[in-house]
Amino acid sequence: GDSVTQMEGPVTLSEEAFLTINCTYTATGYPSLFWYVQYPGEGLQLLLKATKADDKGSNKGFEATYRKETTSFHLEKGSVQVSDSAVYFCALSDGSGYSTLTFGKGTMLLVSP
Amino acid sequence: NAGVTQTPKFQVLKTGQSMTLQCAQDMNHEYMSWYRQDPGMGLRLIHYSVGAGITDQGEVPNGYNVSRSTTEDFPLRLLSAAPSQTSVYFCASSYGLQGAGETQYFGPGTRLLVL
Repeated sequence: GDSVTQMEGPVTLSEEAFLTINCTYTATGYPSLFWYVQYPGEGLQLLLKATKADDKGSNKGFEATYRKETTSFHLEKGSVQVSDSAVYFCALSDGSGYSTLTFGKGTMLLVSP
Repeated sequence: NAGVTQTPKFQVLKTGQSMTLQCAQDMNHEYMSWYRQDPGMGLRLIHYSVGAGITDQGEVPNGYNVSRSTTEDFPLRLLSAAPSQTSVYFCASSYGLQGAGETQYFGPGTRLLVL
């Protein structure tokens, strides 16, 4: 079945550091890929997405490129802020079925001033 | 638009008690789903619905019932709560039914503790 693997956290960075959170996937068909973010005490919200190979999703300075050859969708940001501290979830939706999401386990990011 | 709303925010139950977690959306979304979030496990799908009167099981459906009598509401019922059901529950909805690129909108969650 479908699965998503993302790097374990917590990832601890200083403000203005470069961020990479790795995500790889296994899926049948042609999945869509997502990054969701969960701020403390809140629900999940979409950060960015990509629906086909070589697409780049971007939002709020975050980027991720859908790499079919390496089955990856790594999240990057050039300069993190304290307000980026949250849990980040990589997820996929298998295009052959309904809108069900398969999630990775989440990666906590802690940014210190 | 209120988006996706969930009640209650927090609940404590004793083993064997029953309760219903409420979920409502005002975006006229066809697809609704319930996930549970446990430490180190990510989110796992419990049940989903593709329209009023149509529901199906997800990855971890045991111990939970759902129904969908209206487009707006999708309650999750615990018939006899067990400590293993201690978790944070999220309801989500999306406009379309097919998976390709549909954004899901999440509620704020219900934190459940079963003693």
